[in-house]
Amino acid sequence: AQSVTQLDSQVPVFEEAPVELRCNYSSSVSVYLFWYVQYPNQGLQLLLKYLSGSTLVKGINGFEAEFNKSQTSFHLRKPSVHISDTAEYFCAVSGQWRDKIIFGKGTRLHILP
Amino acid sequence: DVKVTQSSRYLVKRTGEKVFLECVQDMDHENMFWYRQDPGLGLRLIYFSYDVKMKEKGDIPEGYSVSREKKERFSLILESASTNQTSMYLCASSLPTSGGFETQYFGPGTRLLVL
Repeated sequence: AQSVTQLDSQVPVFEEAPVELRCNYSSSVSVYLFWYVQYPNQGLQLLLKYLSGSTLVKGINGFEAEFNKSQTSFHLRKPSVHISDTAEYFCAVSGQWRDKIIFGKGTRLHILP
Repeated sequence: DVKVTQSSRYLVKRTGEKVFLECVQDMDHENMFWYRQDPGLGLRLIYFSYDVKMKEKGDIPEGYSVSREKKERFSLILESASTNQTSMYLCASSLPTSGGFETQYFGPGTRLLVL
């Protein structure tokens, strides 16, 4: 069975500072990995996804993530955050039959002025 | 752009009422999903559908049913609403694949309060 663990439920960070949101997964099969973002009072939208190839994946709004198979991790990073990055971030894994995605419990990113 | 719309942003119902949540997508996607989102629990899959009139149970189907009579529309039904079904409900759609690498597109959510 697949699972996703987001290690931090909340991450406070000062504006213009770098941030890393951690995600670990477990799976016995090849996986596809995703980061979705949910801005306040909105649905989720895709930030980036890893399907194959280069382990460094670049997404929207300056975010990137690195797939590390040996550590079963897919951490999300941004070198300099902005107040508009305030949101909840969800890591997700798929690779199962019928396109089901397993979501992590989310990490709330708080940007401090 | 893919658009997924949900019939209500906010809904207040009484215990025991039958509740219908509607979701419509305009991109001809085969797959449609219903999730509920609760603080600290993330998104949990209730039901999904990979074709018209087809449905599969997700992780928490108890107390819910679904209907997919047309490709673009996927309805979630709470047969007899209970207070523990107070939650945010999110609908999503995607193209079909052999392993789930397609992006899911989400609606804005319906915040349901059951009194």
